Amino acid sequence: GAVVSQHPSRVICKSGTSVKIECRSLDFQATTMFWYRQFPKQSLMLMATSNEGSKATYEQGVEKDKFLINHASLTLSTLTVTSAHPEDSSFYICSARYHATNEKLFFGSGTQLSVL
Amino acid sequence: AQSVAQPEDQVNVAEGNPLTVKCTYSVSGNPYLFWYVQYPNRGLQFLLKYITGDNLVKGSYGFEAEFNKSQTSFHLKKPSALVSDSALYFCAVRDILGNTPLVFGKGTRLSVIA
Repeated sequence: GAVVSQHPSRVICKSGTSVKIECRSLDFQATTMFWYRQFPKQSLMLMATSNEGSKATYEQGVEKDKFLINHASLTLSTLTVTSAHPEDSSFYICSARYHATNEKLFFGSGTQLSVL
Repeated sequence: AQSVAQPEDQVNVAEGNPLTVKCTYSVSGNPYLFWYVQYPNRGLQFLLKYITGDNLVKGSYGFEAEFNKSQTSFHLKKPSALVSDSALYFCAVRDILGNTPLVFGKGTRLSVIA
């Protein structure tokens, strides 16, 4: 089946630094990727929708200058948390929509970000 | 706007007993409905989906869900629970029209006790 690889799985960084998270679809082309954020004991909150070759669409309340999303190819999307602060600590999950079967999403394994 | 409600934060069930995890939804049009499971420190795994056709959908690991349009529900069920089923379960919905993202419920933690 389709596989989405997300890297790194865990990152610890100092406040003020930037962190890049990669999301790759390994065996299919993903025209659309979604980035979610999950707080402890809470659901996944959609942050942004990323379409290949165009600017990401951010959900209300998500700072686009803070969370930079790049979808440069049909198999790669990146989320960069710029000038990270402790409140950015969270679990980030990407998902990719399989081009041929539009209704199903495949998820990465997630990235646990801890900002000290 | 799309929304999903999972009314139970926690469901406890004895091993071997049937389990139900509840989900109701709201969409403006017709829904695509999904169940995902999340194990500790891991991403989401797809369990099953309803797109069209039979209201009773069978999925992975012996799970099934019944689409009830009149009650706008999509409850997850399993006839006999296993301890290994203990995890966090998310219901999700999206409108079939357009390239809309999935909207997730808040999740229900299932604990199966031996």
